Amino acid sequence: EAGVAQSPRYKIIEKRQSVAFWCNPISGHATLYWYQQILGQGPKLLIQFQNNGVVDDSQLPKDRFSAERLKGVDSTLKIQPAKLEDSAVYLCASSLVAQRGASYNEQFFGPGTRLTVL
Amino acid sequence: SQQGEEDPQALSIQEGENATMNCSYKTSINNLQWYRQNSGRGLVHLILIRSNEREKHSGRLRVTLDTSKKSSSLLITASRAADTASYFCATDRAGGTSYGKLTFGQGTILTVHP
Repeated sequence: EAGVAQSPRYKIIEKRQSVAFWCNPISGHATLYWYQQILGQGPKLLIQFQNNGVVDDSQLPKDRFSAERLKGVDSTLKIQPAKLEDSAVYLCASSLVAQRGASYNEQFFGPGTRLTVL
Repeated sequence: SQQGEEDPQALSIQEGENATMNCSYKTSINNLQWYRQNSGRGLVHLILIRSNEREKHSGRLRVTLDTSKKSSSLLITASRAADTASYFCATDRAGGTSYGKLTFGQGTILTVHP
């Protein structure tokens, strides 16, 4: 079974530039997550999709970050304009349909995109 | 904000020894999960324990959960050099409007020396 795919793996940009990340989840997984992981910290959820609808985007800085999941499969995360503090690894994860209290809400993570903002 | 807090922040042991990592959290949960992250890679799910479970085993892993103390521990027995990684606990909070959402702790960096 293919895992979660992400691209690019690395990206270096200057502040105020734009950048986009792409994620292809595991086939059949309805739920998709984007996380930001700053060096030395645990991942922080940015946005959660269920099919192509947003379930939770409470921690997404909406003035500069945007995400979409067209047709409920692939997803893109965009930052425009980037700031120095956006330097981090951006992780995409997917899971089967997430249900409240379900004991199978295991998430499968992609390798991540390491973003450096200069 | 981070819900889970891991302890210790770093742990260094010899191959063959046991490694114990602890996690504390603040709110009621549906389940608690442990993940491993090798340097420069994504996270890998290790084990999930539900709120009504007290202990769970998977191979060399043993997880305990004490909901009265809001804490969990991960024990890795007979450690190997390949276990060197960062370990994160993640909680699936009870209640709220979103589900399946995980809140991760800061992680424990485990180094196993050959």
